[in-house]
Amino acid sequence: RKEVEQDPGPFNVPEGATVAFNCTYSNSASQSFFWYRQDCRKEPKLLMSVYSSGNEDGRFTAQLNRASQYISLLIRDSKLSDSATYLCVVNLFSGEDSNYQLIWGAGTKLIIKP
Amino acid sequence: ETGVTQSPTHLIKTRGQQVTLRCSSQSGHNTVSWYQQALGQGPQFIFQYYREEENGRGNFPPRFSGLQFPNYSSELNVNALELDDSALYLCATLPGQGAGANVLTFGAGSRLTVL
Repeated sequence: RKEVEQDPGPFNVPEGATVAFNCTYSNSASQSFFWYRQDCRKEPKLLMSVYSSGNEDGRFTAQLNRASQYISLLIRDSKLSDSATYLCVVNLFSGEDSNYQLIWGAGTKLIIKP
Repeated sequence: ETGVTQSPTHLIKTRGQQVTLRCSSQSGHNTVSWYQQALGQGPQFIFQYYREEENGRGNFPPRFSGLQFPNYSSELNVNALELDDSALYLCATLPGQGAGANVLTFGAGSRLTVL
């Protein structure tokens, strides 16, 4: 089982619709969580951090469910410019060996159609 | 432009050769991490450096090594190149403190092709 799993998609969604996707993680010691966005042949860019209480930034809402070990991203009123790959990232820090790791999902491809 | 510069942007090597990729850090960013991204995959964490010391490593063999310099710029070295090493190599920096302390700033990447 992969440490961080995402549905690869693609999700084909009409403009203006609401779309949601999840990301599951296997290590319960995971400490922090992020959503990144990556456009084709570009570097990833931070979309939002994910907090335990859930957080919202404009049309984007992120949620964390520690009990079920998943995070989610909801996009409302989707725009053509939201077409991209959305990457889920989990931060692991092991106090035993002071080893820090960022584990990335393979990404979910979103295509917004006019 | 993010302020994190990687070089070279593209390069072609043959199996068994060695490669060095470089990353300049954004001002004030003392932490740098390197990632390998194969086509259609998410980035795979290679390692991270904080103030010239490695403080995190993913599941990559020892032929992947790195350095961080006093000015916080960094190098990724890969020895004995294999065909599967063909990928986009991304470096990312962190300010480590203040607002956005955990926000990675990525360079545009170095695309390596191994023939």
